[in-house]
Amino acid sequence: DAKTTQPTSMDCAEGRAANLPCNHSTISGNEYVYWYRQIHSQGPQYIIHGLKNNETNEMASLIITEDRKSSTLILPHATLRDTAVYYCIAGNQAGTALIFGKGTTLSVSS
Amino acid sequence: GAVVSQHPSRVICKSGTSVKIECRSLDFQATTMFWYRQFPKQSLMLMATSNEGSKATYEQGVEKDKFLINHASLTLSTLTVTSAHPEDSSFYICSARDPRVREGTYNEQFFGPGTRLTVL
Repeated sequence: DAKTTQPTSMDCAEGRAANLPCNHSTISGNEYVYWYRQIHSQGPQYIIHGLKNNETNEMASLIITEDRKSSTLILPHATLRDTAVYYCIAGNQAGTALIFGKGTTLSVSS
Repeated sequence: GAVVSQHPSRVICKSGTSVKIECRSLDFQATTMFWYRQFPKQSLMLMATSNEGSKATYEQGVEKDKFLINHASLTLSTLTVTSAHPEDSSFYICSARDPRVREGTYNEQFFGPGTRLTVL
């Protein structure tokens, strides 16, 4: 799996968009980008994944650069409940374990 | 999405005793489950891969005789911490991949809520 680099922490005001960057410059052509988040003392929660194209679901949007070396997770209207550690993972095939880095601690405040 | 449960959610035991943690896939069958450990203020660390009907695969540095994994059915994997000591106190989390996803494609996984183990 490709190594990912994320900022240690970020702050966001409630109601504003939270943009979480992730660098994965060594990603290979068939590796997906996955985003999970972990709220304190809970198991990780799947958010979104993508390969080449930008993706959007009910939780977030994922913007992947054309060269696929970086991506941004966008929470369009952050709420206090979005305060969590967000993990960006660049990984491969189904059936293998997801390897977690240190993630970004997002703090949403009112 | 698919649901994964863990039991117990929290356990406190005395040093030297063994503790069993269960991981269940509630609405799907999982041939593969994964076990992670998370210490305070740290990320999840993969401990082992649990395969139904065969021996688990352990990550380097994880003692297989201390952390016994049994995946006897397609919906249940168990992790037994044998002769637990205070340094084994941690948050243990299991996960299972979405079985509806074909092998070789994306790797969405579903995680249990975790088990907090405290060894006194």
